[in-house]
Amino acid sequence: AQSVTQLDSQVPVFEEAPVELRCNYSSSVSVYLFWYVQYPNQGLQLLLKYLSGSTLVKGINGFEAEFNKSQTSFHLRKPSVHISDTAEYFCAVSGSGGSYIPTFGRGTSLIVHP
Amino acid sequence: GAGVSQSPRYKVAKRGQDVALRCDPISGHVSLFWYQQALGQGPEFLTYFQNEAQLDKSGLPSDRFFAERPEGSVSTLKIQRTQQEDSAVYLCASSLDRAQETQYFGPGTRLLVL
Repeated sequence: AQSVTQLDSQVPVFEEAPVELRCNYSSSVSVYLFWYVQYPNQGLQLLLKYLSGSTLVKGINGFEAEFNKSQTSFHLRKPSVHISDTAEYFCAVSGSGGSYIPTFGRGTSLIVHP
Repeated sequence: GAGVSQSPRYKVAKRGQDVALRCDPISGHVSLFWYQQALGQGPEFLTYFQNEAQLDKSGLPSDRFFAERPEGSVSTLKIQRTQQEDSAVYLCASSLDRAQETQYFGPGTRLLVL
């Protein structure tokens, strides 16, 4: 079984400030990790994913995340946010050994203020 | 090319009615997933197809839920005798194949059961 915990339901931040959205997971097998963004009334869009290799993953829109196996974390970061980054962000985990079903966290609402 | 499309975008049903939700995946995508997203929650897995074969339906909440993909392309999620607890956004996603492939999500169908 696998699970994902997004520790913050809401993160308010001012424009041009840095932000970190936290994600912790649990799994009994090796994992793939994903971050998705969801804008209002839209489907989810992949920001970045970790499959293997370098633990620092760079994605679209200036986001990056670091896989930390010892802490079972995959936190999402951006050095300077824009108003347009206001959205819901979901962390997801799936098993790398053939289990294709991803488990999603409850989401973190990023609110960027001018 | 076109992304994943879903129809209808909004559906209001009276309790007890049957509904059918349609998903048009990206052409050539082998894998197709259905998810249910309750308000304020992350997507929850319902079922998975590889081409026309339904390989996993473990997430379907009851036998009132039925999904098909008869020709390995378009998929339909049917809910019989809808209940108020079925109110949610139903998301469809497709991918080339396998767990590590990026899933492309449609905009979802928002179902409200009165």
